[in-house]
Amino acid sequence: AQSVTQLDSQVPVFEEAPVELRCNYSSSVSVYLFWYVQYPNQGLQLLLKYLSGSTLVESINGFEAEFNKSQTSFHLRKPSVHISDTAEYFCAVMRSDKLIFGTGTRLQVFP
Amino acid sequence: DARVTQTPRHKVTEMGQEVTMRCQPILGHNTVFWYRQTMMQGLELLAYFRNRAPLDDSGMPKDRFSAEMPDATLATLKIQPSEPRDSAVYFCASRISSGANVLTFGAGSRLTVL
Repeated sequence: AQSVTQLDSQVPVFEEAPVELRCNYSSSVSVYLFWYVQYPNQGLQLLLKYLSGSTLVESINGFEAEFNKSQTSFHLRKPSVHISDTAEYFCAVMRSDKLIFGTGTRLQVFP
Repeated sequence: DARVTQTPRHKVTEMGQEVTMRCQPILGHNTVFWYRQTMMQGLELLAYFRNRAPLDDSGMPKDRFSAEMPDATLATLKIQPSEPRDSAVYFCASRISSGANVLTFGAGSRLTVL
C-alpha cells in the first residue's frame, strides 16, 4: 500500500534562510505526489504536484519539489523563506484514487 | 473564483446531540471527499463519493457517522449521537473524477463536543 512519511513534525528557520521539508513515500507503482499548505484556520491549498515528466516541479511562490524515484522521496525546498511561509505543509500520495496525507510539517519562520 | 463551501464554520454542541455538516462542492466536480483533522491523527479520510454514489466509507465510524449526497450540489456528514472524541475540524474537498486532478478543499467545519 502507498503511504507517506514526513520525517519532521516541526521545522524552525529564520527569514531568508533556505528550507527543506522532507517527504518519503512507499509505492511500487507509478505515483502522483502532491504538496499542500495549510495556513492557520484555513483549508488545505495545493502548492505543487508531480504526475509525470520533469522530476522537478515548481510553485508560483518559490517552492520546488523534486521527485526522486530511487530514494522514493519528494522533498519540498525553498531557497529563501518569508515570514508569510509560516504554515503547515502536507505531503500526499494518490492511492486507489484517494489522496493519502502525511502527518504534516509545521514550518515556523522567525524574523 | 470557484470554491468549496462548508457550513457551519464552527459548531459547539453537547455530547449526545446530532450534528450535521454540509458541503457544496465546486460546480462540475463529481467527486467529493470528507476528511477529519485532529492533532493526534492528522488528516483522516472518512468517506468519498463519485457521481453522488458512496465509493468508500471505510474510514468512518459506522455506528454514529453517516455521509450522503442528496444531490450533486450538496454533501452532508452527520454524527448522531456526538461524543467529545468527535471534536475535530472536518474538511470537504472536491475534484473532477480523474485522480490526477487537483483536490480543492473547503475552509472546514470546526466541531467541539462538550
